[in-house]
Amino acid sequence: EPEVTQTPSHQVTQMGQEVILRCVPISNHLYFYWYRQILGQKVEFLVSFYNNEISEKSEIFDDQFSVERPDGSNFTLKIRSTKLEDSAMYFCASNRSPMNTEAFFGQGTRLTVV
Amino acid sequence: QQQVKQSPQSLIVQKGGISIINCAYENTAFDYFPWYQQFPGKGPALLIAIRPDVSEKKEGRFTISFNKSAKQFSLHIMDSQPGDSATYFCAASEDSGGSNYKLTFGKGTLLTVNP
Repeated sequence: EPEVTQTPSHQVTQMGQEVILRCVPISNHLYFYWYRQILGQKVEFLVSFYNNEISEKSEIFDDQFSVERPDGSNFTLKIRSTKLEDSAMYFCASNRSPMNTEAFFGQGTRLTVV
Repeated sequence: QQQVKQSPQSLIVQKGGISIINCAYENTAFDYFPWYQQFPGKGPALLIAIRPDVSEKKEGRFTISFNKSAKQFSLHIMDSQPGDSATYFCAASEDSGGSNYKLTFGKGTLLTVNP
């Protein structure tokens, strides 16, 4: 069964450092998302991406965040200067088309900012 | 208006019992209501979903009941099993002109099924 894969599974970084979280969505999917889940809290939408541009972003997704699909298969989330409050699980998700709204989630990257 | 409110926060059920989790929403533009199951250390996985044109959907032991006028929907797990122990999230999304289907999640319910 096809799946969304994310790397790394766990990343520890110092405050102020840049991190890049990587995702490989399911190959025939066209819509890509990043969500985050702070420990013990709900899953929150960060950004959606379609046709090589951001479709929508939440208020969490400020200038420190950026997304890119550099090579047609990877989908990355960059945090330019990490803060302690960026510590969370980050989930990548994808779905195929507007008519098929099931979003498939990756297993997540646990980001710890120290 | 974008919130989805979920209750209870945690639920303990005996094996064989019925687990019921409830969600309520405000945004009448929501048109897709999935339930996700999440095991520790894993990403959310779609369990079952419903659209507002039906009032109930059943898949195996899992049933969604949907009340459009009350803006509420619930998940029923029949014959609950210890393997069902997980966190369950309700969610909702709306058609944003075909460019994305972002999900708005509830806060989650930690279900424990005792053997």
